[in-house]
Amino acid sequence: DAKTTQPPSMDCAEGRAANLPCNHSTISGNEYVYWYRQIHSQGPQYIIHGLKNNETNEMASLIITEDRKSSTLILPHATLRDTAVYYCIVRVARRNTGNQFYFGTGTSLTVIP
Amino acid sequence: DSGVTQTPKHLITATGQRVTLRCSPRSGDLSVYWYQQSLDQGLQFLIQYYNGEERAKGNILERFSAQQFPDLHSELNLSSLELGDSALYFCASSVGTSGTSTDTQYFGPGTRLTVL
Repeated sequence: DAKTTQPPSMDCAEGRAANLPCNHSTISGNEYVYWYRQIHSQGPQYIIHGLKNNETNEMASLIITEDRKSSTLILPHATLRDTAVYYCIVRVARRNTGNQFYFGTGTSLTVIP
Repeated sequence: DSGVTQTPKHLITATGQRVTLRCSPRSGDLSVYWYQQSLDQGLQFLIQYYNGEERAKGNILERFSAQQFPDLHSELNLSSLELGDSALYFCASSVGTSGTSTDTQYFGPGTRLTVL
């Protein structure tokens, strides 16, 4: 699976948009980009995923560049409860070797009042 | 609430002992994954089961084993415990359609294991 690079930490003012970048320059054509977050020591929480097109759900938006070498997770109106570690993962599911995720170190986002 | 349940929430034991962690997947999910999160190593994939059969292995020690039962719940067995096994252990489940890239995993709340 392609490696990802994320900034170790970011701050965001409450109510503003949080833009979390991720580089995945070695991504291949059939690899999806997933985003999860982990609040304190809770289980990782699924946020969103995409392949080529931009995606939006009730939690966030995912913007993937045309060459697919990077993406940005956008939390449109950050709240204090969005303070967490955000993980960007790229993965291709292989029929015979499993669908496991490989987590990196993520970005620690702090939302400031 | 992801729909994945794990028991117990906390477990304290001594070195050399054996423990069993339990995971119940979301209704309808066939795949179960186990991950370990220790302070210095982040989230590490251990093993995946799909419909009762082992599908993939990650960084799982030989002292650790897992199984998935016919009702699809899974157990992770940790034996000859060492201080370094102290960690959070997470279970995740997914529909598990083989070879589907959009097989989203949903994580349980974890079991915190402390080995004294």
